[in-house]
Amino acid sequence: GQSLEQPSEVTAVEGAIVQINCTYQTSGFYGLSWYQQHDGGAPTFLSYNGLDGLEETGRFSSFLSRSDSYGYLLLQELQMKDSASYFCAVRGRSNDYKLSFGAGTTVTVRA
Amino acid sequence: GAGVSQSPSNKVTEKGKDVELRCDPISGHTALYWYRQRLGQGLEFLIYFQGNSAPDKSGLPSDRFSAERTGESVSTLTIQRTQQEDSAVYLCASSFQGTQNSPLHFGNGTRLTVT
Repeated sequence: GQSLEQPSEVTAVEGAIVQINCTYQTSGFYGLSWYQQHDGGAPTFLSYNGLDGLEETGRFSSFLSRSDSYGYLLLQELQMKDSASYFCAVRGRSNDYKLSFGAGTTVTVRA
Repeated sequence: GAGVSQSPSNKVTEKGKDVELRCDPISGHTALYWYRQRLGQGLEFLIYFQGNSAPDKSGLPSDRFSAERTGESVSTLTIQRTQQEDSAVYLCASSFQGTQNSPLHFGNGTRLTVT
């Protein structure tokens, strides 16, 4: 099976940078994804890392190190609208399309 | 285009009753997932459908839970003899082909309350 660990809460001020770490233990590994969920809303896809390294999408970046079973999501130039829960998720094998999610990190942005 | 549609958005039921939740995936998406999310918690995988393949039911918590999908369209999740512990938001998602990096597109969920 898969297990993922991420911090439960992070608080930061507008304009700051936040890094959300995710460590995982899986029987196999086939990619790390990140999803954002605003309170009461549907989760939405943010990024995917299949290979080691950094993926950048605007203010958000995601990093993966497969040898360390570790990844992170970097939120830059924080805005109030970034207040949400962020989930890392993994697939265990190439033929296993089940996506296993972490418990989520609640990010609170203060003025 | 239209996103994933779930109905009802809210459902209140008495303990012991059966409930049926519906999901309309994005047209053309062959993969369909059901997840459960308890208040303040992560997403718990329930079941996955991909095309005509046998569904992955490994996440269904008990035999009171079942799901069906007609072809590559609508899916229904049925919970029989509901219990208070079933209270949660049930999220449906679909993806194109279910490949490794196909993002999941989620509906807004059905909030189930068992009294």
